[in-house]
Amino acid sequence: NAGVTQTPKFRILKIGQSMTLQCTQDMNHNYMYWYRQDPGMGLKLIYYSVGAGITDKGEVPNGYNVSRSTTEDFPLRLELAAPSQTSVYFCASRPRDRGWYEQFFGPGTRLTVL
Amino acid sequence: DQQVKQNSPSLSVQEGRISILNCDYTNSMFDYFLWYKKYPAEGPTFLISISSIKDKNEDGRFTVFLNKSAKHLSLHIVPSQPGDSAVYFCAASSNTGNQFYFGTGTSLTVIP
Repeated sequence: NAGVTQTPKFRILKIGQSMTLQCTQDMNHNYMYWYRQDPGMGLKLIYYSVGAGITDKGEVPNGYNVSRSTTEDFPLRLELAAPSQTSVYFCASRPRDRGWYEQFFGPGTRLTVL
Repeated sequence: DQQVKQNSPSLSVQEGRISILNCDYTNSMFDYFLWYKKYPAEGPTFLISISSIKDKNEDGRFTVFLNKSAKHLSLHIVPSQPGDSAVYFCAASSNTGNQFYFGTGTSLTVIP
């Protein structure tokens, strides 16, 4: 299994541009998550999904959108990029039926908005 | 509003000694607590967890203690090894497991 994969690894955007961060998992996990990590800070939840077709907002959803048309994919869309969205973005997944709620993380996408 | 707090940004420990990492939380609805380890340029990896019905969980060199009345948990690593040098995050969730709240992390350095 490749686990959770994220593309791209790095990206520089200009203010006002848009982009989609891709996330795919091959573990047939129901739950998927998007986090951002700012320097010296913990991970903040942007959006999450409990299954295909179901998404919900986390702590910091403003400026982002998500979709979940398949179990495997959970893309994160940035519209009108702003410098405040400069961060490292992590995607994660977990199975529904594991009692200890362990999440599996991707390697991250480092995004800079200039 | 930071619901999960790790007040020590860094910790240095000699190899072979005990490392103790602390975490405090404010939300009494949290039912599940996890520790993750993170190396630079990688995603976090799960280390150990504990549910609110327990006060201790052990896995090899790693033990997590939970004090619900104090809303405090700690991770003990014994003995500490240089490969344990990483940033450690604690995280908490209610029993739905839908949303997770992370602390700001503690950077552990184990000195050979």
